[in-house]
Amino acid sequence: QQQVKQSPQSLIVQKGGISIINCAYENTAFDYFPWYQQFPGKGPALLIAIRPDVSEKKEGRFTISFNKSAKQFSLHIMDSQPGDSATYFCAASPGRGSTLGRLYFGRGTQLTVWP
Amino acid sequence: DTAVSQTPKYLVTQMGNDKSIKCEQNLGHDTMYWYKQDSKKFLKIMFSYNNKELIINETVPNRFSPKSPDKAHLNLHINSLELGDSAVYFCASSQLRDADEQYFGPGTRLTVT
Repeated sequence: QQQVKQSPQSLIVQKGGISIINCAYENTAFDYFPWYQQFPGKGPALLIAIRPDVSEKKEGRFTISFNKSAKQFSLHIMDSQPGDSATYFCAASPGRGSTLGRLYFGRGTQLTVWP
Repeated sequence: DTAVSQTPKYLVTQMGNDKSIKCEQNLGHDTMYWYKQDSKKFLKIMFSYNNKELIINETVPNRFSPKSPDKAHLNLHINSLELGDSAVYFCASSQLRDADEQYFGPGTRLTVT
């Protein structure tokens, strides 16, 4: 079963627009929610992450919004640029505990930013 | 300075063969992972090691055997390769035993013909 559900599968945005990718989870034991960015032919790289004690985290043009009661979190990319074109993965982890280091990934969103 | 390196980058082999993928990290991390990314880009953890101790062993056929000679290296040996093993395999490492920031290698694209 898919522990983390991600949508949309693909997203096309014009340069300067806002890209929004959504994720949902069921397991209330999850307490760490990272987003990874993957360019073709490369490994995923951590973009930004949040823990459930805050509802929002911003780093430059990238913002995570977190809704604990709805068990949803989303990535917002402001002023999207062609260089942002990549596959984005949300993930979740129970953090410390018996499943140490286990990241459950969403299925990815292919973002294309048109110039 | 490559943080997490994998060799080879590409591996093309025939069904039934045995092959290995090597991974090394120079970050001083004590936890290493193997992930499989299928043709639809779905990433799934296979194994994780902490200080050479197996921590996570997902439902992976026992044809796959990880080996960690020291905490900087985690190799993946695959016996009797099957067509369904074709995928990109990523090694990753992290500083802490929990899901801290994981650094991924560049991947090994395995094609079984």
